[in-house]
Amino acid sequence: GESVGLHLPTLSVQEGDNSIINCAYSNSASDYFIWYKQESGKGPQFIIDIRSNMDKRQGQRVTVLLNKTVKHLSLQIAATQPGDSAVYFCAGVPNAGGTSYGKLTFGQGTILTVHP
Amino acid sequence: KAGVTQTPRYLIKTRGQQVTLSCSPISGHRSVSWYQQTPGQGLQFLFEYFSETQRNKGNFPGRFSGRQFSNSRSEMNVSTLELGDSALYLCASSPGPPLTDTQYFGPGTRLTVL
Repeated sequence: GESVGLHLPTLSVQEGDNSIINCAYSNSASDYFIWYKQESGKGPQFIIDIRSNMDKRQGQRVTVLLNKTVKHLSLQIAATQPGDSAVYFCAGVPNAGGTSYGKLTFGQGTILTVHP
Repeated sequence: KAGVTQTPRYLIKTRGQQVTLSCSPISGHRSVSWYQQTPGQGLQFLFEYFSETQRNKGNFPGRFSGRQFSNSRSEMNVSTLELGDSALYLCASSPGPPLTDTQYFGPGTRLTVL
């Protein structure tokens, strides 16, 4: 079955540094991935997504890279700010648009702490 | 556009009781999914509804059930509560076919079972 995992449970950076959060997945049939940010007391907030026909996608200060060969994706946050401190989750969708019907499989999350 | 709303935000129940949680999706979204979040298990998929029909279900016991109304609002019910049901219950909505994959989450309902 699908599983999504993270390499590091915590990441600590200085304000202004770039952050890289990694995620591995096991189901090669997954063709859609989403990164979420969850702050304390709130629900996960959509950051960026990527489909399997892409290697890279950029948003505002964020970039997601997908390496299908090694089943790995990463979230890069440029010029990290204290407001970026949160738990970051990657989520995968097997058979996106088909019979997955709303089922996201989440990794355990990485706690990002940004020091001023 | 207003986001996903969930009520109540906090709930305290005792073992054996039942509970009903409510979710209002983003306006125009027709698909609603429910997740359970705990420190030990992380985020786990409960079920998904579209057009008042459950299309997908996770690996949870039958005590967990849900429904969706014609206005896309959804409720989930947990009967015979157990201590292990204490969790943050999250609802997420998405537009519906063909854009069924991107989900937007509400703030969650924090359920504590004593």
